[in-house]
Parts: sequence; structure tokens; C-alpha cells
Amino acid sequence: GENVEQHPSTLSVQEGDSAVIKCTYSDSASNYFPWYKQELGKGPQLIIDIRSNVGEKKDQRIAVTLNKTAKHFSLHITETQPEDSAVYFCAAQTPRQLTFGSGTQLTVLP
Amino acid sequence: KAGVTQTPRYLIKTRGQQVTLSCSPISGHRSVSWYQQTPGQGLQFLFEYFSETQRNKGNFPGRFSGRQFSNSRSEMNVSTLELGDSALYLCASSFRDRGLVDTGELFFGEGSRLTVL
Repeated sequence: GENVEQHPSTLSVQEGDSAVIKCTYSDSASNYFPWYKQELGKGPQLIIDIRSNVGEKKDQRIAVTLNKTAKHFSLHITETQPEDSAVYFCAAQTPRQLTFGSGTQLTVLP
Repeated sequence: KAGVTQTPRYLIKTRGQQVTLSCSPISGHRSVSWYQQTPGQGLQFLFEYFSETQRNKGNFPGRFSGRQFSNSRSEMNVSTLELGDSALYLCASSFRDRGLVDTGELFFGEGSRLTVL
């Protein structure tokens, strides 16, 4: 089955700096790659996604890049703010299921 | 529009007991998925239901089961509880239709936190 690895597991940045989270996947059949943000005490919420026919997608301060050849994709957050502090999960979709990475605890320091 | 509702939010059980968790999806969503979340393990896929049929199943023992009703509400059951079953159980619903290949956006509930003593 699909295996998704996510790094780093924890990340601390100063407010205003950029944050990058990287994921790799194993199944070449994966064609949909969403990113979810989970705040304390809440369920994960979709923040951005990308499909396999696109290399990059941006939405204000967040962007995702995908390299299908290398089987890796990344989340980039620019101009980080305290409200960006949360756990971020990447995921890869095969026809059978959506497989999540193990999560990155992002802390934005004031 | 109401979100995904999970009940109960917290529960404590002892080893050997069984537990039933409930999930009410967003109105109009026919797909319901369940995930187990534990520290360091991320979100582990349990199963997905669509129109009362289990469509996909993750790599969990048979003690974990589920079902979906005609109104799309879903329940999951864990029998003969073990200490390792302590986790946050998340339910998610989506617009996923019968023919769609990918899940599309999942809308998660806040979860049911199970503690097994």
C-alpha cells in the first residue's frame, strides 16, 4: 500500500519567517495530494491541495509544489503568523484510500 | 450548514469492553471515513462507507468494525478493547460520489477521544 513520510516532525520559526514541510510517497498511482491543518482540540481542515497534473499551486501565503518524478511534495508558508501554529498533515490519494503523513508540529514564535 | 458531529466526545473504558462511536456527516455527504489518530502515528485509515456499503478498509484487526445507515450516519465499533486502542477517533465526510477517483475535501469532526484503562 501507499506509504507517506513527512519531515520534520517539529518545526519552530520566528514570526515573519518562512516554513517548509516536506513529504514523500511511494505509490506512483497517487494522483491527489492535500494538506490539512489541525488546531488544538479540533479536527483537521483542508488548507490546500494539488493534483498530479499540476506542479505548483498558491493560495495567498501558502503554496504547494509537487515533483511526481521524485515522488515528493512540499508545503511552503511565507510570512508566518502566530495563528499558523498547528499540526500540519500531508496526504496522498490512491484509488483505494487517502494515506496521511505522521504530521508536523509548527510553532511560530512571536 | 452544520458540520460533522461526533459523539461521544470523550469516553473511558476498561480492557475487554466494547465501544460504539457515532458520526453524523454534513447534510448531503454520502461518504464517511474513519481514522485513528495517535501521537506520532498521524492519521491511520480505518474504513470508508458510501451509501451503506463499506468501500475501503485499512489495515486494522477485525475487532474494528463499522456501518452506515440510510441517512448516511455512521457508527464504528471496537470490541475487546486493548490499551493500544486509546486514541482520538476521527470521522470525516465528503462529497465523494460513486464515480469519483479521489476523495476530494474531507470534512472532519472534532473526534471521540477514547481512553482504555
